[in-house]
Amino acid sequence: KNEVEQSPQNLTAQEGEFITINCSYSVGISALHWLQQHPGGGIVSLFMLSSGKKKHGRLIATINIQEKHSSLHITASHPRDSAVYICAVGETSGSRLTFGEGTQLTVNP
Amino acid sequence: DAGVTQSPTHLIKTRGQHVTLRCSPISGHKSVSWYQQVLGQGPQFIFQYYEKEERGRGNFPDRFSARQFPNYSSELNVNALLLGDSALYLCASSLRRDRGLAHQFFGPGTRLTVL
Repeated sequence: KNEVEQSPQNLTAQEGEFITINCSYSVGISALHWLQQHPGGGIVSLFMLSSGKKKHGRLIATINIQEKHSSLHITASHPRDSAVYICAVGETSGSRLTFGEGTQLTVNP
Repeated sequence: DAGVTQSPTHLIKTRGQHVTLRCSPISGHKSVSWYQQVLGQGPQFIFQYYEKEERGRGNFPDRFSARQFPNYSSELNVNALLLGDSALYLCASSLRRDRGLAHQFFGPGTRLTVL
């Protein structure tokens, strides 16, 4: 079992839909990161959070430390949101950063 | 301000050869981490350097090595290339030593193909 599990692996939505991507982890963490990777490889950090909720534009990230679960929400999705979304956890022991396998999101016009 | 830069962008090598990949961090960032991303998977941690010293190593064979220079740029070296080394190699820089608690700024990556 991977230390970081994401679901779904693939997600197709229509423009305007509300999207949720989930991340579960099995280790103690210092922080959880949500990253966005576009075709071609470039990765952009969206959020780093260790408790509660953060919002940036149409993106919202939440984390429940007790349940070891985080969600990334996209409101009013747009085709330009199409990308791979990756969850990564910074472990409390050794400060290792462990990545999930990513969720491929496709938003159709 | 320039972001993290990596060179080359693409590279084709044959089995048994060696390769050197380069990374320049964001100005002021002293931490550089290297990741390998095989197609369809998430990145895997290879090395972290902070203040020119190795601060972390992932589960990779000794064929992989790295170093950080006084200007905080970094090189990743891979010897005796195998087909399985074909991947996107990502470099990330950050202000803090602790990777878990620092925003990571990623470069565009180097796409390595081993034939």
